[in-house]
Amino acid sequence: QSVLTQPPSASGTPGQSVTLTCSGANSEIDLNPVSWYQLLPGTAPRLLIYSNNQRPSGVPDRFSGSKSATSASLAISGLQSGDEADYYCAAWDDSLSAWVFGGGTKLTVL
Amino acid sequence: EVQLVESGGGMVQPGRPLRLSCAASGFAFYDYAMHWVRQVPGKGLEWVSGINWDSSSVGYADSVKGRFTISRDNAKNLLYLEMHSLRTEDTALYHCVKDVTRYFDYLYGMDGWGQGTTVTVSS
Repeated sequence: QSVLTQPPSASGTPGQSVTLTCSGANSEIDLNPVSWYQLLPGTAPRLLIYSNNQRPSGVPDRFSGSKSATSASLAISGLQSGDEADYYCAAWDDSLSAWVFGGGTKLTVL
Repeated sequence: EVQLVESGGGMVQPGRPLRLSCAASGFAFYDYAMHWVRQVPGKGLEWVSGINWDSSSVGYADSVKGRFTISRDNAKNLLYLEMHSLRTEDTALYHCVKDVTRYFDYLYGMDGWGQGTTVTVSS
């Protein structure tokens, strides 16, 4: 069972916007920044967002991150078929002295 | 371009050891913290271990503490994971991962991932 909770699935149609959520059971998200990762089938994971809302170079601005209280969100606008992937959130857990990941959300583009 | 190539995976019996290696290129390896993150199909990602840029500090998930050892050779651009007393639950795809900063616990994230090497622990 993951320390960070993500809904197992989400869906949207091309062009639509979708928001994925990540909530912490303890203080991980409240205290520490959240990062988001995209896992496309057959490829290595890719960092989409770090430090809650920062995009690495090369990540389209269709992807945006935010955080409030004990939850974080990844918003994807202008949904494309290529966005169909698994998305994971992660944060440093001070009590565990370890990185913790959410269980992942499988995004389907209908 | 960041390139991370893992090797050393394979099938091993429970209780036996295995050593994973990761060859890094395309960036100043000596200037960044590194991690090992494993991926179990159907169960998602699990952070295994991290090491600072200068090996001054390391960290482990509770599930591997006391059995796994992370190390690095900055002169050779290599990251290692020594795994002992392997269990069936260690079966996974192991990714070598680059941190955004010099410190594995510095909170920002992991911005470079290798394709991974598969470890299967089975009798």
